[in-house]
Parts: sequence; structure tokens; C-alpha cells
Amino acid sequence: NAGVTQTPKFRILKIGQSMTLQCTQDMNHNYMYWYRQDPGMGLKLIYYSVGAGITDKGEVPNGYNVSRSTTEDFPLRLELAAPSQTSVYFCASSPVDRGGDTEAFFGQGTRLTVV
Amino acid sequence: GENVEQHPSTLSVQEGDSAVIKCTYSDSASNYFPWYKQELGKGPQLIIDIRSNVGEKKDQRIAVTLNKTAKHFSLHITETQPEDSAVYFCAASISGANSKLTFGKGITLSVRP
Repeated sequence: NAGVTQTPKFRILKIGQSMTLQCTQDMNHNYMYWYRQDPGMGLKLIYYSVGAGITDKGEVPNGYNVSRSTTEDFPLRLELAAPSQTSVYFCASSPVDRGGDTEAFFGQGTRLTVV
Repeated sequence: GENVEQHPSTLSVQEGDSAVIKCTYSDSASNYFPWYKQELGKGPQLIIDIRSNVGEKKDQRIAVTLNKTAKHFSLHITETQPEDSAVYFCAASISGANSKLTFGKGITLSVRP
């Protein structure tokens, strides 16, 4: 298993541009998450999904959109990039239906800079 | 919602010494408490977790303790090694449907050779 795969690893965007951060997992996990990590601020939940066709907002959803058309894929969309969205983005998945475990498996991250 | 506090933000220890990292949580309904280790340039990885029906759990050099009354839990690393240097995150959640983790801000542990 490859686990959770994120692309791209690095990206520089200009203010106002749009992009999609890709995330795919091959573990057949129902739950998927997008976090952003800023220095000294820990991991903040942007959006999450409990299964295909279901998404919900996390703590910091403004400026982002997601979709979950398949179990494997959970892309994150930035429509109008702003400097405040400069961050490292992590996608994660978890098999919550396995006895209540909520261990999250993380991808390697995407470092995004908006200039 | 849940709020997880983690202090201090940095910790430096001598190789071979023990390190203790503490976290507090606010929601008494939380029942799952994992610890994640993040090495430079990588995503966080689970190193140990504990559920609210257990007071302590050990795995080789690492252990986690939970005090439900005080709503705090701690990570203990014994015989620290340079490869233990990383950022450590604590988290809390309520297991089950619609579950999601709330993370602390992380602590940078440096092990001096």
C-alpha cells in the first residue's frame, strides 16, 4: 500500500490564482481530512469527509472547497489564493469503523506559498 | 468544541535523560488521546495512543498517562536518543461517528548528544 499520497509537494501561487491539492488513499478508509499547519499553531482542520458524497466544514474552512466523489480521492480547492493561505497542507485518512479507532494516517504534505 | 493545550512549545534534554510532554483538554466527553511525532519534512505519524478506560500505556521507551479527573495526559520518553528529536503533537477526540481529532500546537523536542 502506498498509504496517503499528496500532490504536488511544493507550489507557488500568485494572489488570485486557483489550484487543487490532490489527495488519494489506497487503504479503503472512510474518513478523510484536510489540515493546514502554520508555524507554532499546530494542525487546524479545514474540511473532513466521513464517506463518499459527504463533506463537512472543520475549524478553518473559509477560502477552501472540497469534494468526495470516490472513497479514494479527496481534493482540496483554493479558488482565489490569498497570502493568508500560505501554509503546509496535510491530507489524512482513518478507518474509524475499525472498533472506534481514530488513528489518522497522514500524507507527506504540500507546501504552498502565495505571493 | 474541544480545546487541546500543549506546553511548553520547546523542550531540550540531554541524550539518555527522560522527557515528559503534557497536554490538557477541555471536553470531558473526549475518550481517545493519541500522540503524533512529526519529523522534518514529513507528515505526523502515530506513536502511541490511549483510551479513557485506561490510565497508562507503555510501548518500549514511550508511555502515556491519562488523568480524566484533571483532564490532562502526558507523554513520557525514557533514555532519549537523538532520533527522538522531532515535533510532538497531542490530540483528543470522541471515538465513533463523525469523529475528528483536535490537535495541540505541538512541542519541539531537541535531544542533545
